Parts: sequence; structure tokens; C-alpha cells
Amino acid sequence: DAKTTQPNSMESNEEEPVHLPCNHSTISGTDYIHWYRQLPSQGPEYVIHGLTSNVNNRMASLAIAEDRKSSTLILHRATLRDAAVYYCILRVDSSGSARQLTFGSGTQLTVLP
Amino acid sequence: DVKVTQSSRYLVKRTGEKVFLECVQDMDHENMFWYRQDPGLGLRLIYFSYDVKMKEKGDIPEGYSVSREKKERFSLILESASTNQTSMYLCASRGDPPTGELFFGEGSRLTVL
Repeated sequence: DAKTTQPNSMESNEEEPVHLPCNHSTISGTDYIHWYRQLPSQGPEYVIHGLTSNVNNRMASLAIAEDRKSSTLILHRATLRDAAVYYCILRVDSSGSARQLTFGSGTQLTVLP
Repeated sequence: DVKVTQSSRYLVKRTGEKVFLECVQDMDHENMFWYRQDPGLGLRLIYFSYDVKMKEKGDIPEGYSVSREKKERFSLILESASTNQTSMYLCASRGDPPTGELFFGEGSRLTVL
């Protein structure tokens, strides 16, 4: 299975943009890039996903490199509530079939007031 | 909203005891997963199930078994708990295509003495 590499930790100031990088150099053509985050004392929650094009939703934006070997999760204005561990994972999105999703250690984001 | 409910937030058991961790989802999802989470190791997949009575081993199935008798319920069983199974256990169900996002419960923190 393709693996992802993320920095262990990052810091950001409140109300500033945050760019969380993820490398996935062995990604295959059918792998979707998914991001989840885990707030303290909670289970992970879905943030965003994409295949080739950049994606936006109410929580964040996902920028995918042209060669798809890396991606960046963008939080446009970090708040204290965005302090969490962010996971970048790859999965094959095959309709109706169960696929394993492998989580790494993620990036611990600290937001400074 | 999708809800994944884990039966116990905190459990303390003794070595050798049999432990049941229950997980219920209310969105009629076919796929369900059990992970454990340990500091520095991220989330590791124990077992997953893609249908009633169907299961597959994940990355670390040793010492665990699962049961899926009804679609909404996925149980993790520790036949004889050991201290190295002290961990946070997270259950998830997978949403429908095209997103196929995972919905996690709040977790069950198990301590084995």
C-alpha cells in the first residue's frame, strides 16, 4: 500500500493560514487523498478528499500537486479549535467495496493565540 | 447526522479477562472498522467487516476477534486480555460512495492491569 509522510508537528498563529504538507510519492493512479483530523479526546473526523483537482469545502482546501506525489491541506484562518492531529491517508475508492485505510502518526497542529 | 456509538468510554480489566467492546452505527453502513491508537504509532487497523458475518484481518489482528451478527453492530473481543492491549480503541463505519468517508466513535480507553 502507498504510504504518506507528514511532519510530526507544526505551529500556527491564530487567524493566520496554515499549510499542512503530505508526501505520497508512491501514490497510484486510483488512490484518493483523504484528510482527517482528531481533536483531543475525540475520534478522527473527515476533513476533505480529492483525486487530481484542488478541492474546497467549508472546513478547508486541498491542493494537489500536478504529479500527485504531494498534497497540502490549507486552513485559511486557523482558530484555537483547529488544534488537532491531522492525518493524510490514501485509499482506493472502489464503489461498494471495503478498503483498508492506513493512518500514520499525522501532524500535531498547535495554534497559538 | 451519522452516529457511531461505542458502548464504554473507559474500562479497566484484569489480565486474562474476556473483554467485549461494542460499536453501533445508525446509518445502515456496510463497512465497519476497529482501530487501536497508541502514542507514537497512530491508528492501526485491527479488523474490518464489509457485511454481516463477513470480516477481514487488518494489520494487527493477533489477540483479537470480532463479531458482526447485525449490520449496525460490530463487536471487538479480547478473549484473554493482556497488559499490552491497554490502548484507545476506535470504531468507525464507512459512508457511501463517492466520498466513502469514515465516521468514528468517541473511542474506548481500555486499561488492562
